[in-house]
Amino acid sequence: KQEVTQIPAALSVPEGENLVLNCSFTDSAIYNLQWFRQDPGKGLTSLLLIQSSQREQTSGRLNASLDKSSGRSTLYIAASQPGDSATYLCAAMDSNYQLIWGAGTKLIIKP
Amino acid sequence: ETGVTQSPTHLIKTRGQQVTLRCSSQSGHNTVSWYQQALGQGPQFIFQYYREEENGRGNFPPRFSGLQFPNYSSELNVNALELDDSALYLCASSPGAGTSTDTQYFGPGTRLTVL
Repeated sequence: KQEVTQIPAALSVPEGENLVLNCSFTDSAIYNLQWFRQDPGKGLTSLLLIQSSQREQTSGRLNASLDKSSGRSTLYIAASQPGDSATYLCAAMDSNYQLIWGAGTKLIIKP
Repeated sequence: ETGVTQSPTHLIKTRGQQVTLRCSSQSGHNTVSWYQQALGQGPQFIFQYYREEENGRGNFPPRFSGLQFPNYSSELNVNALELDDSALYLCASSPGAGTSTDTQYFGPGTRLTVL
């Protein structure tokens, strides 16, 4: 059974810093790994999707990597801004095409 | 703005009651998935519909049921509400078939409180 873990549960950094969020999964048989952002009381916004055959994806200041052999994905945020404050969730699509989610990392960027 | 809408935004019910939550998918999206997100946790997959047929189900009891309509709208029905059903309910639509690896587009959710 696939399990997805995100560490840390919360992170607070000063504006302008680069940071890395971590996601680990127990079963390497995944179709893709996705990163989402969730603002308080809101739905989820897709940030990046890495197919199982890919190693990384980039969008603006965001870069996500995938290492299936070690069961890890990271989300790198460059030059963080207060508007980046949100909860970031990763989800692995398992062999049944279902998304299995981590509990998220709550990120606070201090001005 | 994903084009996926949900209603109502908030809902308060009492234990034992029944509730219907609604979702309107993006036009052309044939697949809709429903998730339950408890406070402080990631979403849990409830079920998925593709062209009006249930296409996959998570570990939820039968009192959670759904419908999908030809006009890209769908419903989540929960019978015999329990206190633990209090959560944010999210629907997500995607253009492909249920076995697609496409990105899903989420609505803003319905916050259900069971007293």
